Amino acid sequence: GAVVSQHPSWVICKSGTSVKIECRSLDFQATTMFWYRQFPKQSLMLMATSNEGSKATYEQGVEKDKFLINHASLTLSTLTVTSAHPEDSSFYICSAGTVQETQYFGPGTRLLVL
Amino acid sequence: SQQGEEDPQALSIQEGENATMNCSYKTSINNLQWYRQNSGRGLVHLILIRSNEREKHSGRLRVTLDTSKKSSSLLITASRAADTASYFCATDQDAGGTSYGKLTFGQGTILTVHP
Repeated sequence: GAVVSQHPSWVICKSGTSVKIECRSLDFQATTMFWYRQFPKQSLMLMATSNEGSKATYEQGVEKDKFLINHASLTLSTLTVTSAHPEDSSFYICSAGTVQETQYFGPGTRLLVL
Repeated sequence: SQQGEEDPQALSIQEGENATMNCSYKTSINNLQWYRQNSGRGLVHLILIRSNEREKHSGRLRVTLDTSKKSSSLLITASRAADTASYFCATDQDAGGTSYGKLTFGQGTILTVHP
């Protein structure tokens, strides 16, 4: 099956710094990638939809200036958490999809902001 | 927003027993998908059932979909300790005939299978 990777798998940073998370589709081209956030023992919440070559579409309540998304190619999308604060600590998961409906999820990135 | 509700929130069974998890949703959908997540890990796609399908099987998994009741169930037969995980349903909502692949997840069921 298709493989989606994320890097880094975990990151610890100081409050106020910015963190970039990469999501790559390794063996297929993803026209659309999605970014989710998951707090402990909770479900996944969609943050934004990222389309190659265009601006991301953010879900209600998600600050677009804080969570910068860039989808520069059909195999790479990046999420940058700017000026991270402890409340941004979470598990961030990306997925990549095609028009055939199936979503392939990355392994997730655990962010801890001190 | 989360449109899916799952029950039970937690399920504890013995190896060999069957496990049934239910999912309800609110809007029209293109398809409904079930995922598995081991603690602290990414999601594994289990099965996708389209809105015009009523039942689907994959190995020990059986999924049903009742669009009139806006509900789905996942049955795992002959469970194993390795099936211990969280299980989520996710709906791909019907956006006027165009599927963008945007998924809305349920709250999940934590399944524990005791050896």
